[in-house]
Order: sequence, then C-alpha cells, then structure tokens
Amino acid sequence: LAKTTQPISMDSYEGQEVNITCSHNNIATNDYITWYQQFPSQGPRFIIQGYKTKVTNEVASLFIPADRKSSTLSLPRVSLSDTAVYYCLVVGSQGNLIFGKGTKLSVKP
Amino acid sequence: DTAVSQTPKYLVTQMGNDKSIKCEQNLGHDTMYWYKQDSKKFLKIMFSYNNKELIINETVPNRFSPKSPDKAHLNLHINSLELGDSAVYFCASSFRAPSTDTQYFGPGTRLTVL
Repeated sequence: LAKTTQPISMDSYEGQEVNITCSHNNIATNDYITWYQQFPSQGPRFIIQGYKTKVTNEVASLFIPADRKSSTLSLPRVSLSDTAVYYCLVVGSQGNLIFGKGTKLSVKP
Repeated sequence: DTAVSQTPKYLVTQMGNDKSIKCEQNLGHDTMYWYKQDSKKFLKIMFSYNNKELIINETVPNRFSPKSPDKAHLNLHINSLELGDSAVYFCASSFRAPSTDTQYFGPGTRLTVL
C-alpha cells in the first residue's frame, strides 16, 4: 500500500501561492493521487485528483512528475478561508484508502 | 439538502455503555464508509460497504459492528465503550465500490467516553 509523506505544517500570507508537496515513493501503476481539505469540526472535502502531468480545476492545480513518486498541490492566491488541513491520498482501484498525516496550512493576513 | 448526514453530532457516554451512530446519504451512492479520526487528527478507515455488503474491514475491535439496512444507510454500533474509543467518527460515501471515486464525508460525530 502506497503511503504518503507531506509537511506537517506550512504558513502563508493572503494573496500568495501555496505549494504543498507529497511523497509517495511506492505508488502503484493504477493508483491515483487525490487531495482533500478539512476545516475544523468538518469532514474532509475533495479538492482535486490526478494520475500524471497536470490537472487544474477552479480551486487548485495538481502537478505530478513523470515518475509519479511525488505530487504538488498548488493553491493560487490563498485567502484566510484556505486555512485548513490538506491531505494527500493515494487511491487505488482495490479501495485501500490511506490518508497521510496531513499538512496544516495557516494563512495570515 | 445534506448529502451525507450523521446523528448524533455529539455523543458523551460512560465506559462500558453501548452506543450507535447513524449515517444516511441521499446521493444515490453504492458505497459507504466509516472512518475514525483521533486526537492527533489521523484519519483511518474502519469499514466499507458496497450495496449492503461488507467489502473493507480493517483491524478494528469486534466491539465495533457496522450495519447497513440498505445502501443509503450505514450505522455503527459500539459495544462496551472504552476510553480509547473517544474520537471523531466520519461517515462517507462514493458512487462505486472502493475505487478512485470521490468520497463525500459527513459532518462527523464526536464521541467522548468518560
């Protein structure tokens, strides 16, 4: 099962771009990389998912290098409301879901 | 129009008691899950059901028993509660059997065992 490693915490200021990197060295061929966001006292919420190269949606971008052993979640121009814990998740078709420890992002004014 | 709902939101009880947490989803999904998030914020999957059939059963004490009366409901019953059971329990659902499909989480049930 592919485990993930990501920074425990990050600080940023409003308006900056934030990049959170996740390592998943033993990712399997059929695994996807998925990121979830969790606010205090709420359940995790899906942000973005990708398999390779780059994926972009209205919330974030996900960059995955060719070897797929890592991925970077990019949040453009963060605001105070982006303060949350971000989880990197490697998801396979077999359904074994392993959440990493998460990165606590603190956005300051 | 809550997609995944859980009741109760808070549950405070004494050691040794038996309690249940209910979960319902109105998304028409086939698969539902139970997760446990401890005080250190580690989120771990406990169970998963697909169309009322148990498909994931992680290493969880036998005191925990999930029950799925239909594919829109997945309840969690806990017998003989222990202090270590204190945590936030999240229910989630996805369209298909465990796969790469997005999971939708409920608001959580904070269980405190005294």
